[in-house]
Amino acid sequence: GAGVSQSPSNKVTEKGKDVELRCDPISGHTALYWYRQSLGQGLEFLIYFQGNSAPDKSGLPSDRFSAERTGGSVSTLTIQRTQQEDSAVYLCASSLDTWIDGYTFGSGTRLTVV
Amino acid sequence: SQQGEEDPQALSIQEGENATMNCSYKTSINNLQWYRQNSGRGLVHLILIRSNEREKHSGRLRVTLDTSKKSSSLLITASRAADTASYFCAFPSGTYKYIFGTGTRLKVLA
Repeated sequence: GAGVSQSPSNKVTEKGKDVELRCDPISGHTALYWYRQSLGQGLEFLIYFQGNSAPDKSGLPSDRFSAERTGGSVSTLTIQRTQQEDSAVYLCASSLDTWIDGYTFGSGTRLTVV
Repeated sequence: SQQGEEDPQALSIQEGENATMNCSYKTSINNLQWYRQNSGRGLVHLILIRSNEREKHSGRLRVTLDTSKKSSSLLITASRAADTASYFCAFPSGTYKYIFGTGTRLKVLA
């Protein structure tokens, strides 16, 4: 596609429920990143995928968070048993090279846990 | 924290004035990037400066990098109301991921 697409754009969920956030990167971009941004804060790195290599999961805040990337394209970030502190904007980005071209970000998913 | 620190946290100026925001970081880097974020959603890549460059221009943007001081600045000249946004610096951590600064919220008053 022309840009990075994220869905849903907004999600309200009850505490304890599981949620899935989707990211469709730019076609041909081999690198895909998930970041989280709490209200008024900077971006917190969550996870990185590059081609068929094992992902860098070092930023995932707990074992309730997981992500996968199928076929080197679409990625899903899953949060199990959501907590109120999970409320944030979840941003996905992709890039052709790991850094030369910079990231292209999606518009994010705003998650609200009530 | 690995996060870059940006200064000021918030800046309010009149249209036509210049806006300067600064970013400091702690590690050795080979490049630094600046991004803009409107309305708390997706970020837009503005400019990348490499460690062997001291200054780079793009339209009304001027970025400097001082690797000895581990700092960078973003200057927006002749600001417009449409420049109102949050601005973030980002620098590499390791070989493939970027750490983002805390951001500067810029408000340009018409």
